Amino acid sequence: DAGVTQSPTHLIKTRGQQVTLRCSPKSGHDTVSWYQQALGQEPQFIFQYYEEEERQRGNFPDRFSGHQFPNYSSELNVNALLLGDSALYLCASSATGHKDPSGANVLTFGAGSRLTVL
Amino acid sequence: AQSVTQPDIHITVSEGASLELRCNYSYGATPYLFWYVQSPGQGLQLLLKYFSGDTLVQGIKGFEAEFKRSQSSFNLRKPSVHWSDAAEYFCAVGVYSGGGADGLTFGKGTHLIIQP
Repeated sequence: DAGVTQSPTHLIKTRGQQVTLRCSPKSGHDTVSWYQQALGQEPQFIFQYYEEEERQRGNFPDRFSGHQFPNYSSELNVNALLLGDSALYLCASSATGHKDPSGANVLTFGAGSRLTVL
Repeated sequence: AQSVTQPDIHITVSEGASLELRCNYSYGATPYLFWYVQSPGQGLQLLLKYFSGDTLVQGIKGFEAEFKRSQSSFNLRKPSVHWSDAAEYFCAVGVYSGGGADGLTFGKGTHLIIQP
């Protein structure tokens, strides 16, 4: 059973460019969350998608946007890249917890996409 | 809003010795609590979780954690560490609201070094 897969694994961009990162959730999961982890720091919550809509958002500017597709996969887009956007971007999937809240909180993380902005 | 504090940035333990990593949380109610481990350049792997019930939870790789409501703590323990346990450990708190789980809030992590 494949876990969470992310692509690309590494990429380099220059300031002002735009980037798209992709995530396929674990089989059976329908909710996707994105986290940013700067070098040496803890992961920071960017946003969460459920039923193709942004359900919750962390403290990130509008330059960060996302999308969820009918097959539950997701994209993270970052516009007008800044040097400070250099980080490991982690995708995590989970199952909705309408009947079991405990399941909704159990995240499975991908290995991440390492973005370097020059 | 919830918060998590991991007081120890670095911890060095001899191989075979016992380990305890500290975690304190702040939240108005009982949150969901997690410990994740991260090897360099990798994603996060869930070690264990606490939702309710028994306050001593068992996880993978021989880890356990104890939830203490009176101390707002969720410390991670292992009786005997192995060199492969060297990694970054994150404590996290989650909240369930509005029919779904909110984004996790992570502590700043504890870097575990294993001495031979």
